[in-house]
Amino acid sequence: RKEVEQDPGPFNVPEGATVAFNCTYSNSASQSFFWYRQDCRKEPKLLMSVYSSGNEDGRFTAQLNRASQYISLLIRDSKLSDSATYLCVVNTPNSGYALNFGKGTSLLVTP
Amino acid sequence: EAQVTQNPRYLITVTGKKLTVTCSQNMNHEYMSWYRQDPGLGLRQIYYSMNVEVTDKGDVPEGYKVSRKEKRNFPLILESPSPNQTSLYFCASSLTGGGAYNEQFFGPGTRLTVL
Repeated sequence: RKEVEQDPGPFNVPEGATVAFNCTYSNSASQSFFWYRQDCRKEPKLLMSVYSSGNEDGRFTAQLNRASQYISLLIRDSKLSDSATYLCVVNTPNSGYALNFGKGTSLLVTP
Repeated sequence: EAQVTQNPRYLITVTGKKLTVTCSQNMNHEYMSWYRQDPGLGLRQIYYSMNVEVTDKGDVPEGYKVSRKEKRNFPLILESPSPNQTSLYFCASSLTGGGAYNEQFFGPGTRLTVL
């Protein structure tokens, strides 16, 4: 079983829509959680860290449920520029602090 | 400008011809790592380094070597490349190995094709 699982999509949504991505992780010892964004053929870049209490950055809201080992990302008022692949990432200290990446969820925002 | 650089960006080579992909960061980061990204498999860690002269295997280390003689550089060595090492490779660095605030910065990627 893969450590981090995401719905691969693709999610095709119109501009202005709200879209939510989900992610589950298998290792209960995981300590740090992130969402990265990757544009086609480019390097991943940190979108936001995910904190236990949930956190918001503009149109983006991240939630963490440790009991269910579940992470979510909500994007409100989608823009064309939000089109990308969103990677759920989990950091587990007992595996050399390796970042475990989900395979990513593809989002396409259309006019 | 704070950045991670990789060279070459693109490389086509033949089976068995040794090659090195360089990685350098200018942020004085302790932690550096190599990943490969393949369609349908996502990003997988090859090797990582917690600091100078400290390296360890990731999930897919077979066929690769690394070294960390200086803090800023973390080259990836393929002693005898094979076609199954055709992939997109990313180097990344972070201040330390773990923590919620520990963003990993990625290089622009090296697209390797082994014929």
